[in-house]
Amino acid sequence: DAGVIQSPRHEVTEMGQEVTLRCKPISGHDYLFWYRQTMMRGLELLIYFNNNVPIDDSGMPEDRFSAKMPNASFSTLKIQPSEPRDSAVYFCASALAGGPHEQYFGPGTRLTVT
Amino acid sequence: DAKTTQPPSMDCAEGRAANLPCNHSTISGNEYVYWYRQIHSQGPQYIIHGLKNNETNEMASLIITEDRKSSTLILPHATLRDTAVYYCIVHKPDRGSTLGRLYFGRGTQLTVWP
Repeated sequence: DAGVIQSPRHEVTEMGQEVTLRCKPISGHDYLFWYRQTMMRGLELLIYFNNNVPIDDSGMPEDRFSAKMPNASFSTLKIQPSEPRDSAVYFCASALAGGPHEQYFGPGTRLTVT
Repeated sequence: DAKTTQPPSMDCAEGRAANLPCNHSTISGNEYVYWYRQIHSQGPQYIIHGLKNNETNEMASLIITEDRKSSTLILPHATLRDTAVYYCIVHKPDRGSTLGRLYFGRGTQLTVWP
């Protein structure tokens, strides 16, 4: 299996622009997670899905952030409009139904907003 | 979920055992102990988890004290590739929105030197 796939790996954008991050989970996994990692705040869970349905979005920082999972093999995290403080590494992870705590992480997308 | 305390950094000679401690004195009866690690510039990687008994897999061993208030992750023969941040997480895989929510603290930076 190719593991969790994220794209792009690096994204540089200007403040105010829309940013879309993409994730393909491991085939057959039922859970999908979006995390953000910064030096100041560490690794934070933003939102997670179970069977394509958002379960917990309490970590989404504000309305500028939105996440969708239109099918079992694809998810997006969108930031509109982006701000410099959104600069971080964004990770996607997936897990099986029997073990949502055994999460498999992707390589991350490094976002820089100037 | 119970809070964990880990030393911010440790080092270990290559080929020797690395013993990473974690304190979770407020752990409750149905909370598990999980360990993840994050190699620089990569996503976190699941290592092992346990409830009461000691556990071993191909990566590491987990020793949980009888009162469950602390645990130790053991890498029996550390290599340079084991240099990473190691996260100890206590979590109750209950139903509901918190099922998949893991809290990653600051972890322990393990440096393996030649």
